[in-house]
Amino acid sequence: DTEVTQTPKHLVMGMTNKKSLKCEQHMGHRAMYWYKQKAKKPPELMFVYSYEKLSINESVPSRFSPECPNSSLLNLHLHALQPEDSALYLCASSRGRGQGYEQYFGPGTRLTVT
Amino acid sequence: AQKVTQAQTEISVVEKEDVTLDCVYETRDTTYYLFWYKQPPSGELVFLIRRNSFDEQNEISGRYSWNFQKSTSSFNFTITASQVVDSAVYFCALSESTGGSYIPTFGRGTSLIVHP
Repeated sequence: DTEVTQTPKHLVMGMTNKKSLKCEQHMGHRAMYWYKQKAKKPPELMFVYSYEKLSINESVPSRFSPECPNSSLLNLHLHALQPEDSALYLCASSRGRGQGYEQYFGPGTRLTVT
Repeated sequence: AQKVTQAQTEISVVEKEDVTLDCVYETRDTTYYLFWYKQPPSGELVFLIRRNSFDEQNEISGRYSWNFQKSTSSFNFTITASQVVDSAVYFCALSESTGGSYIPTFGRGTSLIVHP
């Protein structure tokens, strides 16, 4: 099973809303990632969790708050977003951060901020 | 400077044509990893292949083949007898060690359109 699931598939939120994106994997992977992808651009790394600890934060604004409740779950809490934050948010996992392991991606959440 | 260059922004072919997607990378590390991912219109990136810097052997998987050449810092991807289902954006990525982590840097992607 190489599946990473993400919910919701689509999300429309106002600038004052609080919402959360969820990601789950059952491959026993110990590294999990959040990416942001704008149209016609490559994925842009936001956060990396390794063994449930935040290991990389690519200078992401504090209106994005990641959380890793356990080794299978990864959340991204959203608050006071801006219209320019509208994008496809992708979750990925890999066996670890080292060794250049390949990543497995979820289908993404298409976020629209109005 | 870009570490991964995919010079072809968009390629359009007719079904059954062969097509090669180019990827040129830049690194000073001796140990690194190269990847190809496919992103169909649905949005999910699908892992296709991983290569480490010590393994220059070319690989074939069905209609897909990869040519890794360290001498030219290239990792090109060829699809033989293309099909409409191959239409997607293809990303080449490079992982180098950064403080013990290998986090991929993606190229800008090549959009492949296969016409029936």
